[in-house]
This record gives sequence, C-alpha cells and structure tokens, in this order.
Amino acid sequence: QKEVEQDPGPLSVPEGAIVSLNCTYSNSAFQYFMWYRQYSRKGPELLMYTYSSGNKEDGRFTAQVDKSSKYISLFIRDSQPSDSATYLCAASSGGYQKVTFGTGTKLQVIP
Amino acid sequence: SAVISQKPSRDICQRGTSLTIQCQVDSQVTMMFWYRQQPGQSLTLIATANQGSEATYESGFVIDKFPISRPNLTFSTLTVSNMSPEDSSIYLCSVGPVNTDTQYFGPGTRLTVL
Repeated sequence: QKEVEQDPGPLSVPEGAIVSLNCTYSNSAFQYFMWYRQYSRKGPELLMYTYSSGNKEDGRFTAQVDKSSKYISLFIRDSQPSDSATYLCAASSGGYQKVTFGTGTKLQVIP
Repeated sequence: SAVISQKPSRDICQRGTSLTIQCQVDSQVTMMFWYRQQPGQSLTLIATANQGSEATYESGFVIDKFPISRPNLTFSTLTVSNMSPEDSSIYLCSVGPVNTDTQYFGPGTRLTVL
C-alpha cells in the first residue's frame, strides 16, 4: 500500500465548476499536508499547506484535512481554464523530513 | 521567495553514459533535495544533499548510481551514472522545510536515455 494514494483522474470540468480533489494516506505520523500544482513541463508549485486537521482557505482554493479518516481534499471554486494542471497531494511528519507525494490528478477546465 | 534554476532543462543521452544536473538557488539554504518524477508516477525522493557532508540516500538509490555534490549553500549537482532507458525521467531539485509555505522546486531536467 502506498503511503499517499490519490485519485488518478484525469478530471475534466466546465469552467466555473467546483472541483474536488482527494487523497488518502496511511502514515499516522504525517502532520503536514500539502497540495502542489504542476503545469506541463514545469516543476511543482506549492499551492497550500495545512498542519494537522482542519480547513485552510486561500482565495478560490480550500484545503481540508481529516486526520481521523486520513483524508486530504482540495476544493477549487469557480474553476478557470488557467487551473488546468496536475495537482499533487503530499504529506510529511514535518521539518526537513521526507515528503511523500501522491501520483497526481490531471485536471482540465474546459472554457 | 527562492528562485531555483536547473541545467540542463532537457537532454537525450546514450545508454552507458553519465549526465550531471546542476541546481542553483538564489539564496543560501540548509538542505536541498533531489527527486525523480517518472511518467505517471509520483515524485520519489532520491537523496538529501547536505552541505559539507555526504548526501543521504533513500532506499533504492545508491551513491554509485546517483553521486551528489553540495559544495556550498546555493548549489548542488546530481549525476546519473551509467544510464539505461529506465533512468528516463524528470529530475527535480527542491529546497525548504515542509512546515512552511517556503518549499520550492526547480523547473526540472527532462532526461531521455536511448
């Protein structure tokens, strides 16, 4: 079993839709949870990070962590064509510890 | 914010040869990391590059295959040695602790081995 499992997609939605991206993890030591966005032929860009359980909102993006169920989510409201990218969830026990990534979900927002 | 550059951005190499990838950061950082991103797979940590000491390798990765240098706090190199087609991948360097919003990745080096 992979430590971080991610719905592979691909996911195609119309512009303006609400997008839900999800991951599960198995390592109880994980305390930090991240979402990265990766455009084609670019390196991953840190989108959001969350410590422990709870929600974090940044503009149209909301990251949600439920440690009781080991579930990580990213919601994108009013999705835009510029949101088309691969989204990677990741987790770590913190500090400079190893980050474990999901396989990524490719999202396409259709104008 | 840290700006990370990598050279080369891409290369096509012959089996059995070696390629050295450079990673340059515009500010001093304590730790640098090297990842591999194979098609359809997640990012896999190869090693942590420590300044002034040997790199720390993850399970499945060895120094003879992936020698790393870290001569100062802004620069590191990763060499992919005796390459085979299975080494075709994107290689990424990154910096920063995970418990902040200051973790950055370089643009990656796309390697194809024929």
